[in-house]
Amino acid sequence: EVQLVESGGGVVQPGGSLRLLCAASGFTFDDYTMHWVRHAPGKSLEWVSLISWDGKSAYYGDFVRGRFTISRDNSKNSLYLQMNSLKIEDTALYYCAKDMGDYLYMDVWGKGTTVTVSS
Amino acid sequence: ETVMTQSPATLSVSPGERVTLSCRASQSVSSNLAWYQQKPGQSPRLLVYAASARATGIPARFSGSGSGTEFTLTISSLQSEDFAVYYCQQYNNWPPYTFGQGTKVEIK
Repeated sequence: EVQLVESGGGVVQPGGSLRLLCAASGFTFDDYTMHWVRHAPGKSLEWVSLISWDGKSAYYGDFVRGRFTISRDNSKNSLYLQMNSLKIEDTALYYCAKDMGDYLYMDVWGKGTTVTVSS
Repeated sequence: ETVMTQSPATLSVSPGERVTLSCRASQSVSSNLAWYQQKPGQSPRLLVYAASARATGIPARFSGSGSGTEFTLTISSLQSEDFAVYYCQQYNNWPPYTFGQGTKVEIK
């Protein structure tokens, strides 16, 4: 069974940092592009970032502005999102999602991990 | 950025009715459009990709159509388990990937 399990969320003060982890199983992880998507309370889904299968290419939403870094360790079937300089508006449920192939749609989603930025 | 606009925001429907959800793109996305269903407390579930192809395991009552800037998701006969929020998402003009604001299908 294809499975994505996120962890690493929590409560952090504005300006703080968090590192999210997504553990993948049930598929050949290094064959696929991977995404982070977030869902803030009362808002729509918002794409955060993607990373290519080999980790050599990464893209971000404009709102990231150099604050987040996506990475992966294919030897550990793991995806990461390092989030620095967090803002209150980064408060959301963060999903890890598998791309169907290369830069397509998301066919499998994790259950998400909650990030709360509050003073 | 390609802005995706869904209508209506909320749809009140009785079980068994036919439902049509709309999604419009601010510029052409060709057929690179997906639809997702999200129920409360659950993660999004892929329903349709490439505008009209049903994802694995999705019932035939769900169908997608359109290309360019105008898209439709139709549920031919709404079942109780279909009450949810539906999102469209384009993957043609990226970054960024963009989602519509969602259409909530609720019980009438």
